[in-house]
Amino acid sequence: KAGVTQTPRYLIKTRGQQVTLSCSPISGHRSVSWYQQTPGQGLQFLFEYFSETQRNKGNFPGRFSGRQFSNSRSEMNVSTLELGDSALYLCASSLGPGVDGYTFGSGTRLTVV
Amino acid sequence: GESVGLHLPTLSVQEGDNSIINCAYSNSASDYFIWYKQESGKGPQFIIDIRSNMDKRQGQRVTVLLNKTVKHLSLQIAATQPGDSAVYFCAESNTGNQFYFGTGTSLTVIP
Repeated sequence: KAGVTQTPRYLIKTRGQQVTLSCSPISGHRSVSWYQQTPGQGLQFLFEYFSETQRNKGNFPGRFSGRQFSNSRSEMNVSTLELGDSALYLCASSLGPGVDGYTFGSGTRLTVV
Repeated sequence: GESVGLHLPTLSVQEGDNSIINCAYSNSASDYFIWYKQESGKGPQFIIDIRSNMDKRQGQRVTVLLNKTVKHLSLQIAATQPGDSAVYFCAESNTGNQFYFGTGTSLTVIP
């Protein structure tokens, strides 16, 4: 079956703009989590969604937001982009909260110039 | 707060040798741990997991050891191959699906 699909794969934006990233989980997976990965850093948790509700949120400013749709697809939005937002944004899905393991997508590489 | 740390940022091994990647965690309440492998340009790939009620778990060429006393996790890769070259992350969780990841160890296999 298809894995976690993230679109777009690459994105270049200008400071001050906003961006929306998309994640389609594995069919049947209802939990979606988002992570930011930057050089020299580990994966930093952004938020987790289950059944269209945000269950957990990491320590990121309010410029970072997300949502989940009834078909479990999720989007994350970053407003007023800053240079430091340049990163690989990863989405991971699982059957549900507390269910073992994540399956990650290949990520969206965001570059802010 | 949570912190997951890796002892070595880089590791080089000869092809055919065994590799050991270490990870320290700080939250004694963590009850589930995963090792992920990330190759260049790809997302992290699940390797093996272990729950806190176990000390050891084996997969194909990989073994994870958990020492809860010193809050230490290790990943052993037997007969390391060039395709094993990647960054390896450990992750811990005690709240269901929210995981905390270490910064990663870069493994290079020398042919």
